[in-house]
Parts: sequence; structure tokens; C-alpha cells
Amino acid sequence: DAGVIQSPRHEVTEMGQEVTLRCKPISGHNSLFWYRQTMMRGLELLIYFNNNVPIDDSGMPEDRFSAKMPNASFSTLKIQPSEPRDSAVYFCASRGQYGELFFGEGSRLTVL
Amino acid sequence: SQELEQSPQSLIVQEGKNLTINCTSSKTLYGLYWYKQKYGEGLIFLMMLQKGGEEKSHEKITAKLDEKKQQSSLHITASQPSHAGIYLCGADPRANQGGKLIFGQGTELSVKP
Repeated sequence: DAGVIQSPRHEVTEMGQEVTLRCKPISGHNSLFWYRQTMMRGLELLIYFNNNVPIDDSGMPEDRFSAKMPNASFSTLKIQPSEPRDSAVYFCASRGQYGELFFGEGSRLTVL
Repeated sequence: SQELEQSPQSLIVQEGKNLTINCTSSKTLYGLYWYKQKYGEGLIFLMMLQKGGEEKSHEKITAKLDEKKQQSSLHITASQPSHAGIYLCGADPRANQGGKLIFGQGTELSVKP
């Protein structure tokens, strides 16, 4: 069975550019989560969706960040404009029946 | 808000030795999840604990949740190089199942052959 699929795995961009990260959750999972991981702050929840509806976006850093889930099998996290402090690994996860999260391999973002 | 504190932050052990990683919460845990992460990769789900006093084992890894449901431990018996990585505990801060998980800062484990 396919796990959570994220793309791209690596992204290097220049400050001010738009970045779009993509995620395909595990089929049948109704909740999707976006996390950001850095050495300084660890793993932080940015936003999560239940049945494609955003439930809690209190972790989204600022208006430059936005997330959408147009259908049950696809979500995007967009940063516009990007800044060097956005450099991190961004993880997408979907939730199993016992509350456990299944994570993708992550998208490593470097903003120069 | 609930916080999870892991100890130690890092650990270096000789292959074959036992070790324990702790995860302490400021509030009651309604679900405690252990994950392992290798550098540059995603988090791999290991085990979930929900009931006070619960204990689960998988191969050489045992996880326990104390009766008060505020502390969990992860014990590895006869460690191997394949156990090396970052171990993170995660918890559901709400009583109803199905919410977001918050995570500890992680414990980095190195196993010397």
C-alpha cells in the first residue's frame, strides 16, 4: 500500500519566490496534517484538515503561508513570498483509525 | 497548553546495551505515540499507548505509560546499530480521539558497534 506521498523532496529557491508543496494522503484517511521541522523549534503543527475542511490553522506562521485541500486525495501548502527563515523540512501526515499519524518523507525547503 | 519533555536529549550507547528514553507531559495524556526518525526521512510510527499502566512491545522495544498517564518510557533491550535515530513522543492533548498531535523535541540515539 502506498504511504503518504509528498513532492518535491527537495526545493531550493530564492527569497521572494513562491513555493508550493504537495501531499497525497493515504487513501481512506479523513484527516491531513502539515508539520514543519527545524533544529531550533522541533516539529510544529501548521494546519490540519478533517474531511477536507481546515480545522486548526493557528500554527500557520503568517499570511505568507496558505494551505488548501480541494479533495480527499490532495493538499497543497504554499508560501508566497518565501523568506530564508522558512527553510525547514515540511511534513504531511494523515491519520489512521487509532489516531496514529502516518508521515510522508518530507519536503526539504531551502530559501536562499 | 500541553508540553512534552523528552530525556535525555541525546544518548550514545555501546551495541548490546539496554537504554531508556522518557517522555513527560505537563498534563494528562489521552494518547501517547512513539515514533522513530532517521536523518532526512519521515517519522515511522512505532507504538501507541492509551490506558494508564499499559505496556506494549515490538521486537526489542517496549513502551510503557504510567498509571497517572503523564509519563511514558521507551526501553530498548540489547541495542543494535539499526536502532540508531531520533525517537519522538507525540500526544493528543484532547480527550476525544482524532485531534492534532503535539511532539517532544526528540531523543537522538547513537549505537556504537
